[in-house]
Amino acid sequence: GESVGLHLPTLSVQEGDNSIINCAYSNSASDYFIWYKQESGKGPQFIIDIRSNMDKRQGQRVTVLLNKTVKHLSLQIAATQPGDSAVYFCAEKSGFQKLVFGTGTRLLVSP
Amino acid sequence: GAVVSQHPSWVICKSGTSVKIECRSLDFQATTMFWYRQFPKQSLMLMATSNEGSKATYEQGVEKDKFLINHASLTLSTLTVTSAHPEDSSFYICSAEGRGETQYFGPGTRLLVL
Repeated sequence: GESVGLHLPTLSVQEGDNSIINCAYSNSASDYFIWYKQESGKGPQFIIDIRSNMDKRQGQRVTVLLNKTVKHLSLQIAATQPGDSAVYFCAEKSGFQKLVFGTGTRLLVSP
Repeated sequence: GAVVSQHPSWVICKSGTSVKIECRSLDFQATTMFWYRQFPKQSLMLMATSNEGSKATYEQGVEKDKFLINHASLTLSTLTVTSAHPEDSSFYICSAEGRGETQYFGPGTRLLVL
């Protein structure tokens, strides 16, 4: 059931600012990483992915950075818009193992 | 591309009844589909991995007799919550593994058991 008192880390930004959402992963053997966006009452939506042989990948208005040395993943959103408000999850995978999700970060964009 | 649908999007049922949720990959074939459960303000919890034509693999602590999974074709997996009780109320989300390793998620099904 629901954990009483549990709350998501929240990042609040102004419209037009750049947002950076961070994620620390645990498995040094993970070789595939994905960022998902989940709006309230909806399923997660694929944003961008990156493999461990890369340290940066860019999409439309989004950039994912991977630092394997410190096991850190970040998602940068340029010119953040109100429609970007959602919960963002990072996920990691090692080989054929299951996808492991992070705890999520709530992004709030103020107009 | 890579669209996954779920039906129904929400369901209310009486305690003791069974509920079936369908997950379909609309524009790709998925040999593997996954079923997740999500409680409010929490991350996704994997319940089981469903492979086409074979038995599902359940995560530790998930009752396979309560959450029946069938993956009859490359585009359809179903989750049946048998003898549902109020504690089974949750948001159930499926995903399908398409091209490569990327999982694409359905819109979710909200289940409320009275």
